[in-house]
Amino acid sequence: NAGVTQTPKFQVLKTGQSMTLQCAQDMNHEYMSWYRQDPGMGLRLIHYSVGAGITDQGEVPNGYNVSRSTTEDFPLRLLSAAPSQTSVYFCASSTRDRNYEQYFGPGTRLTVT
Amino acid sequence: AQSVTQPDIHITVSEGASLELRCNYSYGATPYLFWYVQSPGQGLQLLLKYFSGDTLVQGIKGFEAEFKRSQSSFNLRKPSVHWSDAAEYFCAVAPYGGATNKLIFGTGTLLAVQP
Repeated sequence: NAGVTQTPKFQVLKTGQSMTLQCAQDMNHEYMSWYRQDPGMGLRLIHYSVGAGITDQGEVPNGYNVSRSTTEDFPLRLLSAAPSQTSVYFCASSTRDRNYEQYFGPGTRLTVT
Repeated sequence: AQSVTQPDIHITVSEGASLELRCNYSYGATPYLFWYVQSPGQGLQLLLKYFSGDTLVQGIKGFEAEFKRSQSSFNLRKPSVHWSDAAEYFCAVAPYGGATNKLIFGTGTLLAVQP
């Protein structure tokens, strides 16, 4: 199993551009989440999903969209990038069958200029 | 609202010394509790977790943590630190009964290990 994969690893955007951060997992986990990590603030939940077709907002959802058309994929869309979205983004998945332990991807480092 | 506090932003210990990283949480009931470690430029790795039962939990890499309900704490310990333990450590909570895909993280403690 590849686990949780994220692409790209690094990205630089200009203010106002849009892009999609990709996240995929091959463990058939029902739950998936997106977090952003900023210095001194830990990780904060952006959006999460409890299954295909079901998503909900986390703590810091503004400026981001998600969809979950398949169990495997959970892309995060930045609609109009802003410098405040410069961060490291982590995707995670979990399953009830493994006591909900979250498996994290390697992260995407995004810079918005 | 739930919150997690890690009061120590940065800790330096000598190799071979003992370590304790503090974590306090604010929640009405007993939540699920986790400790994660993040090496530089890497993702997060689960060290250990507490759901219920024995309040002293053992994790990977020789770490353990003790849940103290009266103090709303879940401190991480290691009897003898190795240089490879230098990393950032995050405490996290999830509501009791599930929703562990909605973790609330503390701000992290950066551990430096002196030779």
